[in-house]
Amino acid sequence: ETGVTQTPRHLVMGMTNKKSLKCEQHLGHNAMYWYKQSAKKPLELMFVYSLEERVENNSVPSRFSPECPNSSHLFLHLHTLQPEDSALYLCASSPHTGSEQYFGPGTRLTVT
Amino acid sequence: KNEVEQSPQNLTAQEGEFITINCSYSVGISALHWLQQHPGGGIVSLFMLSSGKKKHGRLIATINIQEKHSSLHITASHPRDSAVYICAVRGETSGSRLTFGEGTQLTVNP
Repeated sequence: ETGVTQTPRHLVMGMTNKKSLKCEQHLGHNAMYWYKQSAKKPLELMFVYSLEERVENNSVPSRFSPECPNSSHLFLHLHTLQPEDSALYLCASSPHTGSEQYFGPGTRLTVT
Repeated sequence: KNEVEQSPQNLTAQEGEFITINCSYSVGISALHWLQQHPGGGIVSLFMLSSGKKKHGRLIATINIQEKHSSLHITASHPRDSAVYICAVRGETSGSRLTFGEGTQLTVNP
């Protein structure tokens, strides 16, 4: 247990569906991150939030929409995804940007 | 070419063997991380280092800033060490961004 939880752990959705991924951290950290891990590829940073403000958006398509309502919660809203978006989506948090990150267990997403 | 290169990509060892995984990077960095990912996806941070050497239990991480190279060593390996080991670097000018290697799949047989 790293103190970072993600729900759901597995998600299958159609290309026309709208769904959301949730991340929660119980560590009192100020920074939260979304990563994408596709098969046979390195982890890719998607978004970074610091004190609930988005500080980094790594050229992610608009069909992925992050939301950080407070420093403990981070959401990734998904709509009209493509099959190539199927991947493991990992959330992480850290005391501040630049410090050691603690990862959640990930959500395995399959787009059909 | 990835900014972070790991070798080997796959490694199979017998229980008890000494294991080394290497990471080379091409940019100036402020920190280097070693991460462990078990089947199912969860990632655990093993080390964050910017110079010298760190040790935790049977794990040792070293870094040579001049040579832009880091190694992760596992002494007295055990089947439970089987996982993917990932090297990631934070560039000097990249803010919060980590750049990840492709990972090394380690399998330790009993």
